[in-house]
Amino acid sequence: SAVISQKPSRDICQRGTSLTIQCQVDSQVTMMFWYRQQPGQSLTLIATANQGSEATYESGFVIDKFPISRPNLTFSTLTVSNMSPEDSSIYLCSVSPGQGYGYTFGSGTRLTVV
Amino acid sequence: AQKVTQAQTEISVVEKEDVTLDCVYETRDTTYYLFWYKQPPSGELVFLIRRNSFDEQNEISGRYSWNFQKSTSSFNFTITASQVVDSAVYFCALTSSRGGPARQLTFGSGTQLTVLP
Repeated sequence: SAVISQKPSRDICQRGTSLTIQCQVDSQVTMMFWYRQQPGQSLTLIATANQGSEATYESGFVIDKFPISRPNLTFSTLTVSNMSPEDSSIYLCSVSPGQGYGYTFGSGTRLTVV
Repeated sequence: AQKVTQAQTEISVVEKEDVTLDCVYETRDTTYYLFWYKQPPSGELVFLIRRNSFDEQNEISGRYSWNFQKSTSSFNFTITASQVVDSAVYFCALTSSRGGPARQLTFGSGTQLTVLP
């Protein structure tokens, strides 16, 4: 199965600033998914990123707040813009599985906004 | 719409006890996939199992076993002889393919398992 390197692993940011999270995959993948996990909660899909097209956002998430880039089949970034304390969460990227495997997840970015 | 329900928010057991984590799902698709993930305190998601809708065979992997029953739309997870290292949040998840590209996972709310020494 694919291996994902996600950076940064954690950050503490000032409100009003932006943070860009990177995910590098060790193989080419068609679809990448970005999830948010608020404290003590389950994972919620932010958007699906397909190389060469605009990301598809879920209800409640907008491109201005969470712009995504997908320049090639092994890399994607998620930016959390104009942050507020409510954005404090773990953000995870994920890729679709190879045959017989589960979806692979990055190690997560633990974001705290102060 | 798809939905995954994990009714048990928290479970606490003493080491060496067996414990079952429940998962009930809803989907209109005939082809779908069910997953279990473990999330230890460090935060990463560890893949445990994937099961497709056409394979109702129960599976055992060491101390872990899974019971998939389409008749009750359940995919329960049992840990035998639990250990302290099993303490984590466990998520059940669902996706369907509809013959197209991979789709996102729908997660349950998770069950916090605490195994006491």
